[in-house]
Amino acid sequence: AQTVTQSQPEMSVQEAETVTLSCTYDTSESDYYLFWYKQPPSRQMILVIRQEAYKQQNATENRFSVNFQKAAKSFSLKISDSQLGDAAMYFCAYRSPYNTDKLIFGTGTRLQVFP
Amino acid sequence: NAGVTQTPKFQVLKTGQSMTLQCAQDMNHEYMSWYRQDPGMGLRLIHYSVGAGITDQGEVPNGYNVSRSTTEDFPLRLLSAAPSQTSVYFCASRGLAGGNTGELFFGEGSRLTVL
Repeated sequence: AQTVTQSQPEMSVQEAETVTLSCTYDTSESDYYLFWYKQPPSRQMILVIRQEAYKQQNATENRFSVNFQKAAKSFSLKISDSQLGDAAMYFCAYRSPYNTDKLIFGTGTRLQVFP
Repeated sequence: NAGVTQTPKFQVLKTGQSMTLQCAQDMNHEYMSWYRQDPGMGLRLIHYSVGAGITDQGEVPNGYNVSRSTTEDFPLRLLSAAPSQTSVYFCASRGLAGGNTGELFFGEGSRLTVL
């Protein structure tokens, strides 16, 4: 069974600085899909970025980018030029191509942004 | 744009009571699902549906029932609430046309407390 691990329960960053959130996963599948979701205090989950495992190029969405290391099974999220609105819980998630109905989530990282 | 709407947002139940969490989406999405979020455990899949009349169990289905009589609605029923069902519940939907990297759209969550 696949598992997703986020080893940093909490992280903090100064406004305008860069922070990296870690995510590792365990799978025997060669193709899969990875996601980062943001959960602000309002509770609603919002998709931040997604990556297909067969794509070598790291995904980027404005200030958000990933460092996808397939051999190491690592999928970290980098937030550049951090803003106060980035403060939230961030969840890493895995989707198997053989069970696309299920997202497997990590336990989350709480990000604090200080002015 | 309503998206995914969940009701109620908060509910307190006594052990043994029954209740239904409502979920409706207006995006004509085929796929709908229910997750529960517990501290330190991320989100876990309870039940899901890939279309009207089709439902299946996720990772933690015990104590919950679902049905999908229409494309828009996917209610989650607790037949006899237990304190272990105290959690935040999220309904989510996805259009299958988006493929395997398709975004999962979440509702705002329903916080349920069972005394």
